[in-house]
Formats: sequence, structure tokens, C-alpha cells
Amino acid sequence: DAGVIQSPRHEVTEMGQEVTLRCKPISGHNSLFWYRQTMMRGLELLIYFNNNVPIDDSGMPEDRFSAKMPNASFSTLKIQPSEPRDSAVYFCASKLQGGDEKLFFGSGTQLSVL
Amino acid sequence: GDSVTQMEGPVTLSEEAFLTINCTYTATGYPSLFWYVQYPGEGLQLLLKATKADDKGSNKGFEATYRKETTSFHLEKGSVQVSDSAVYFCALSGGTGRRALTFGSGTRLQVQP
Repeated sequence: DAGVIQSPRHEVTEMGQEVTLRCKPISGHNSLFWYRQTMMRGLELLIYFNNNVPIDDSGMPEDRFSAKMPNASFSTLKIQPSEPRDSAVYFCASKLQGGDEKLFFGSGTQLSVL
Repeated sequence: GDSVTQMEGPVTLSEEAFLTINCTYTATGYPSLFWYVQYPGEGLQLLLKATKADDKGSNKGFEATYRKETTSFHLEKGSVQVSDSAVYFCALSGGTGRRALTFGSGTRLQVQP
């Protein structure tokens, strides 16, 4: 298996633009997580899904952020409009629900909002 | 809510030195505890875990023991290598029934030859 696949690897955009980050979890995994990593705040959970259903979105910073999981093999995290303070590395991770708690992380998307 | 506190880095050691990275946690119930490692430019990888009090997790020469009485899960390695240079994250899950991991802020380890 290729692991958790995220795209793009790097994204540079201007303030006010819409940004869409994409994630393909490991085949067969039914839990998917979006994390954000910054120097100031460390690694923060934004939202997670079980069987494509959002379970906990309490970490989503504000209404500018939205996440979807239309099927078991794809998820998006959208920021609209983007702001400079959204600059961070965004990680997607997946695992089997209820089993071993081992999370498999993607390589992340480095987002820079100018 | 659940929280994890790690010692601040960076931790700089010479090769073959002894490593300790402190981790303490706050959680209700009986959480599982983890150490993840992040190499430059990569996502996090599970290093080891422990699911109940007094359990010892171990992998690649690293060890950590789940101490419920001190709410700690310190990471140790007897002899570090340059290749161990990375950021190490302590994490917990299940303390309040939450299924997602709660991570500490991470500790950067730099091992010099």
C-alpha cells in the first residue's frame, strides 16, 4: 500500500483565496483525521471522521474551515477565505476504527498564505 | 479535557549518550499512551505504545513505562545515534472516551557525531 497520500505537498497562495487540501487514506481504514502543525501551537486535531461521518469537529478554528469525506477513499479540507495565520503544515492520518490505535500519517501539506 | 505536557527542546546529545524525554499527562479514565516520531519532511510514525498501567512499550532501543501514579510516560534510550535526530511526540487516547489522539507539543532531538 502507498500509505496515506496528501496533495499538494506545498501550497502558496494569497490572502483571501480558497485553498483545498486533499487526502487519500489507506485502503480499508475507516477513520480519518485532519491535524494542523505550527511552531506556536504544536499538533492540533481539526476534525475526524468514522465511516465517512464527521464525529468531532470541535478543533476546526472557525467557519472559514470545512472538511468533507464523500467516500471512503477521499477527503478534503477547505479554507475559504484563507488568511496568513492559516499558514501551517496540515496532516491527514487514517487508521482502523476501534482497533489498534496506530495512526498512519501522510507527508503533510505545507501551506503558506501571503 | 485531556492534555499532554512534554519537556521543551531542543535536546542536543552526543552519539551514544543516554536519552530521556519527559512526558506527563492529564486525563480521566484509563488512556492509552504513545510516542510518535517525526523525521524531517515526513509525517509522524508510531514508535511505541502502552495501554495500561505498568506496561512498558519498546521499539528500536527506545522504551517508555506507563506510570499511573505519576501520570508519566517518559521516553528513554540507552545509546542514541545520529539517525535518531527527529521530533518526538507523546500522545494519549481514550482518556475521556475520545477516539482521537491528543498530542504533546513535541521535543526536538539533535544527536551530534
